[in-house]
Amino acid sequence: AQKVTQAQTEISVVEKEDVTLDCVYETRDTTYYLFWYKQPPSGELVFLIRRNSFDEQNEISGRYSWNFQKSTSSFNFTITASQVVDSAVYFCALSAPNTGNQFYFGTGTSLTVIP
Amino acid sequence: GAGVSQSPSNKVTEKGKDVELRCDPISGHTALYWYRQRLGQGLEFLIYFQGNSAPDKSGLPSDRFSAERTGESVSTLTIQRTQQEDSAVYLCASSLSPSGSPSTDTQYFGPGTRLTVL
Repeated sequence: AQKVTQAQTEISVVEKEDVTLDCVYETRDTTYYLFWYKQPPSGELVFLIRRNSFDEQNEISGRYSWNFQKSTSSFNFTITASQVVDSAVYFCALSAPNTGNQFYFGTGTSLTVIP
Repeated sequence: GAGVSQSPSNKVTEKGKDVELRCDPISGHTALYWYRQRLGQGLEFLIYFQGNSAPDKSGLPSDRFSAERTGESVSTLTIQRTQQEDSAVYLCASSLSPSGSPSTDTQYFGPGTRLTVL
């Protein structure tokens, strides 16, 4: 079975602080894909990153970085020098093509950046 | 169009009425997904289409829910005899899915339809 756990329900940080959002996944498949989406207050989910299970290289995009560790089944997301515009709900998701075409979303982490 | 669009953006209905929610995917995207998001919750998979076929309907919560897609484009999610527990935001997403395996592709989401059943 596939499952994504985002244990942090809500996080508040002060602007310019760094923050890490945790994502732990479960799957028996060796081929799978991991995603992060941002859902700002406006409601529309915005794609942030897609990573396949064969690529464990960490990725950095501006103030965003992702740490993929297969050994701990985690795909954590760090925002450096947070800004008020980062306030949103962030979802981690998993898909495993060999066992169907569903996407499994975590319950989301609500991030509030306080000015 | 430039992105996924959904209509209406908001729908208020009375318990027992039928509703239709519409999704226009990004042009050329062959895969289309419907999700339900209850207040403060994650996304709950409902159904997905590859072209006009729905290989996986396992997420539909009851036989009151149905969906169709025509012309490998527009999709309609229909909820019959709505109940208060159907109140949620219904999200549609599409992906290019050139390989026919949409779970390998990035999904692009619409703004959702907020359904309120009184």
